This record gives sequence, structure tokens and C-alpha cells, in this order.
Amino acid sequence: GAGVSQSPRYKVAKRGQDVALRCDPISGHVSLFWYQQALGQGPEFLTYFQNEAQLDKSGLPSDRFFAERPEGSVSTLKIQRTQQEDSAVYLCASSLKGSNTEAFFGQGTRLTVV
Amino acid sequence: SQQGEEDPQALSIQEGENATMNCSYKTSINNLQWYRQNSGRGLVHLILIRSNEREKHSGRLRVTLDTSKKSSSLLITASRAADTASYFCATDMFGNEKLTFGTGTRLTIIP
Repeated sequence: GAGVSQSPRYKVAKRGQDVALRCDPISGHVSLFWYQQALGQGPEFLTYFQNEAQLDKSGLPSDRFFAERPEGSVSTLKIQRTQQEDSAVYLCASSLKGSNTEAFFGQGTRLTVV
Repeated sequence: SQQGEEDPQALSIQEGENATMNCSYKTSINNLQWYRQNSGRGLVHLILIRSNEREKHSGRLRVTLDTSKKSSSLLITASRAADTASYFCATDMFGNEKLTFGTGTRLTIIP
């Protein structure tokens, strides 16, 4: 595909349920990022991969959040025992390695925890 | 936490007018980028300006950067209805690719 693809687009989870959000980055992009965007706010950084290595996970809000990119391409963000405060849009972005490069964002997954 | 703030939070102008929005940030940066987000769509990259640059143009967009004041502005000239969106600035620091976003400006173009 031409862009970053995320699935599902929408997810409704019952409180306490585990969810998995998928990101397919642009082919050949080394860097992959996850962001969380609350309603009316700017995106906030969660975690960053360079190939399969998770170089920064300082933004993950709790140990219920886990991300992986085992083969350096597709990434999954997993949230265990979801809480209402986890409701947000989760955005994935990819870029060619290095600074001074544009990040391309997917359309996001809107997670609603009820 | 958000790196900075955008000003104004919301702006409504008539089609054809120019729109200016400002971004302030807190720490030293490597690059500053502007993104647009339409309702229901992802973030779209508009323009990147490096810390050693003061002004950059792309089509109807003009970005300025003042590192002494830790601020940037985005000017959209001859606005169109399709420019209606939220606009975010985002910064990265030397040696760290992650982006830190501002709070956004919601721009409405009135036809």
C-alpha cells in the first residue's frame, strides 16, 4: 500500500478486556512510532522502534501497555485490562531513519472502552 | 505532556483571507514541523523547518521560526474551504526522533 495502514479503525472494548491494535508501516521505513490522541488534544508519544528494536518506551502510560515489532515491519500495540481512561485515538507513524525526515501517519484506531 | 501551545486555539476566517497561527515550545529543538488533521482523517505533514532556518515556503504556506523566542508561525494565504482542519506544530530534539506536539489550532474557513 501507499501509506501507513492501521486496523481496526474502530474498536469498542468492555472494561477489563485486552485489545491489540495493528500498524502496517510504509515499506522500507525503518522508524515506527505510536502516539495516543485524546479528544481535542495533540498526539502524545507512546513508543518508538527502529527496525525491531524498541528504542524508547518512555511514553507508555502503564505496564498494561505493550508494543512489539518482531520482524521490523508490522507493529502491534497491546493494551491489557483496558480502562475507561484508555479511550483515545491511537496513531501509528513511520519514517525513513534519521531526523530531518517526514513522519507519515496512519488514520488511527479509535478505541472506546465502555 | 505537550511540548508547547498553539495560539489561537480556534480561528474562523472568510474564504480568501489569510490565516496565521502560532506555536510556542519549551526546549531546544532540532526541527519543527507543521501537520494538518481533518475530521476523521490522519495527520498530514505540511512542512518541516530546521533549527538553523528562519523561514520556509511551500505553495500557499509560509513558516517562520524564531529559536530565540522558541516560537514558530504558520501562514496560510488565500484560504480555501478545504483548509478547514486542525493544525499542529511538532518538534523533535537532537538525537531523538520522537515528535512532541502542541495543543493545536482549529481553523474554520467560512465560504
